[in-house]
Amino acid sequence: EPEVTQTPSHQVTQMGQEVILRCVPISNHLYFYWYRQILGQKVEFLVSFYNNEISEKSEIFDDQFSVERPDGSNFTLKIRSTKLEDSAMYFCASSEEGIGNTIYFGEGSWLTVV
Amino acid sequence: GDSVTQMEGPVTLSEEACLTINCTYTATGYPSLFWYVQYPGEGLQLLLKATKADDKGSNKGFEATYRKETTSFHLEKGSVQVSDSAVYFCALSKSGGYQKVTFGTGTKLQVIP
Repeated sequence: EPEVTQTPSHQVTQMGQEVILRCVPISNHLYFYWYRQILGQKVEFLVSFYNNEISEKSEIFDDQFSVERPDGSNFTLKIRSTKLEDSAMYFCASSEEGIGNTIYFGEGSWLTVV
Repeated sequence: GDSVTQMEGPVTLSEEACLTINCTYTATGYPSLFWYVQYPGEGLQLLLKATKADDKGSNKGFEATYRKETTSFHLEKGSVQVSDSAVYFCALSKSGGYQKVTFGTGTKLQVIP
């Protein structure tokens, strides 16, 4: 079964450093997402991306964050100048176009900011 | 805005016991409803879904019925196993081109032998 893959699975970074989390969505999907789950808390929507532009973003997704689809297969989340509170599991997801289609999630990238 | 409320955990059950995890939602329009499961150390996996009222989603012995009149989507299983121990998330997404998902807080289930 096709799946969303994410790298790295775990990254430790120093506060203030830039981090790039990478994702390969399912190949025929057109919508891409990033979600975040702080340890012990609910999964929160960050951003959705379609047709090479952001279609919606949450209030969490401030100027510190950016997303990019640099080629036909990868989808990246960049966090500039990381803060301690950015420590979380980051999930990439993708879906086909159409009503009621399922979002498929990757296994997550666990980011620890020290 | 849209929201999902699910029962607080953790829930601890003996193997072969019956499971119900309550979930209610608030949303305009006609959302699709989902249960996702997160096993220890793993990502989110879709367990089951229902896209319209009275639909029943089912998978791996789990079931949930989309009840529009009570805005509920309770997860049930007749006989749980130790391997079902995980965190279960109720979620909804709105119809439309893209599927922004709103999650509940998650309910941790622990099944003991």
